[in-house]
Amino acid sequence: QKEVEQNSGPLSVPEGAIASLNCTYSDRGSQSFFWYRQYSGKSPELIMSIYSNGDKEDGRFTAQLNKASQYVSLLIRDSQPSDSATYLCAVLPGNQFYFGTGTSLTVIP
Amino acid sequence: NAGVTQTPKFQVLKTGQSMTLQCAQDMNHNSMYWYRQDPGMGLRLIYYSASEGTTDKGEVPNGYNVSRLNKREFSLRLESAAPSQTSVYFCASSLGQGRDGYTFGSGTRLTVV
Repeated sequence: QKEVEQNSGPLSVPEGAIASLNCTYSDRGSQSFFWYRQYSGKSPELIMSIYSNGDKEDGRFTAQLNKASQYVSLLIRDSQPSDSATYLCAVLPGNQFYFGTGTSLTVIP
Repeated sequence: NAGVTQTPKFQVLKTGQSMTLQCAQDMNHNSMYWYRQDPGMGLRLIYYSASEGTTDKGEVPNGYNVSRLNKREFSLRLESAAPSQTSVYFCASSLGQGRDGYTFGSGTRLTVV
């Protein structure tokens, strides 16, 4: 079983819709969770971090964490074509990150 | 601020050749990392350095060596390149062993023929 699992997609949503990205992890001791965005041919960039159960909002982005169910999600409200990218979920169970393989998101104008 | 700088951006090697990938950060971060990214495999940790003077193996260390030259610089060496090492390599750094997230370099696209 992989440490971090994501649906690879592709996920397509119309402009202005809500995009929902999901991630599950295997290590119950994980304390830190991150979402990275990676445009094609570019390096990952950190967009959200979450450490406690519940929701964390930052602009159009909301990260949700449920440690009991071992899942993390990212909601993107009012999706824009510029949000089209691959989104990587990352989990830090100790001193080493584990990344999911990413979900490809396309926002259709 | 330059952030994390990697060189070179592209490289083609012949099987058996050696090369060193350079990484430098100017954010006074303590921890530095080398990852490779392959289609369908995601980012996999090769080696990391939690602090100056220390290095540790990650998930896929075979065929690689690293040097933490000082707090700013962390290099990755391929002693005898193999086609299986064709990949995109990313260097990353963090202030406190990843708990604040990583800053990534722009990557090195390596092809071994």
